[in-house]
Amino acid sequence: AQSVSQHNHHVILSEAASLELGCNYSYGGTVNLFWYVQYPGQHLQLLLKYFSGDPLVKGIKGFEAEFIKSKFSFNLRKPSVQWSDTAEYFCAVSPGFGGFQKLVFGTGTRLLVSP
Amino acid sequence: DTGVSQDPRHKITKRGQNVTFRCDPISEHNRLYWYRQTLGQGPEFLTYFQNEAQLEKSRLLSDRFSAERPKGSFSTLEIQRTEQGDSAMYLCASSSTEEGDSPLHFGNGTRLTVT
Repeated sequence: AQSVSQHNHHVILSEAASLELGCNYSYGGTVNLFWYVQYPGQHLQLLLKYFSGDPLVKGIKGFEAEFIKSKFSFNLRKPSVQWSDTAEYFCAVSPGFGGFQKLVFGTGTRLLVSP
Repeated sequence: DTGVSQDPRHKITKRGQNVTFRCDPISEHNRLYWYRQTLGQGPEFLTYFQNEAQLEKSRLLSDRFSAERPKGSFSTLEIQRTEQGDSAMYLCASSSTEEGDSPLHFGNGTRLTVT
């Protein structure tokens, strides 16, 4: 069965600090990879996704993630965080044979950015 | 894009009662998903529809749970004889096969509290 591990449950940063959130998955086959964000009081929103091709993917709001197949990792990065990035971030995977997206989520990382 | 709409936002019920939640997906989306999220966890897949057909159900979905999507548009999730362990956020999401591997668009969820 697939599983997703997010190493940090809570992260506190000051504005302008760099961010890296870890995500590792366990699945033997091809996967689709996602990062979703949930801002306080809002619904889950897609930050970025990887299906194939360039393993460095860029998403909205200056976020990017790198798929490293050999490490089963898909870490999220942002060079300089803002107070508005305070949110909960979820990594998710689904089988890579297209169509149906039965996502398996990690437990999430709560990011607090202090002004 | 009016987004995925869920009703009600909050539901408090006594143990043993039945509850029903409604989800209205984005209008052109033919796929609809139900997920459940408990405190401190990421969303967990419950079930999935393509048009009106329910194509997969998680083992998490006990016999007390039933979901329908009678006309391939809105969906309902019913929980019979609720238990305290059913307390969670129930999330609905939709996507479209017309957009290839389109990402899931989530609603704001229905928070269920069973007392």
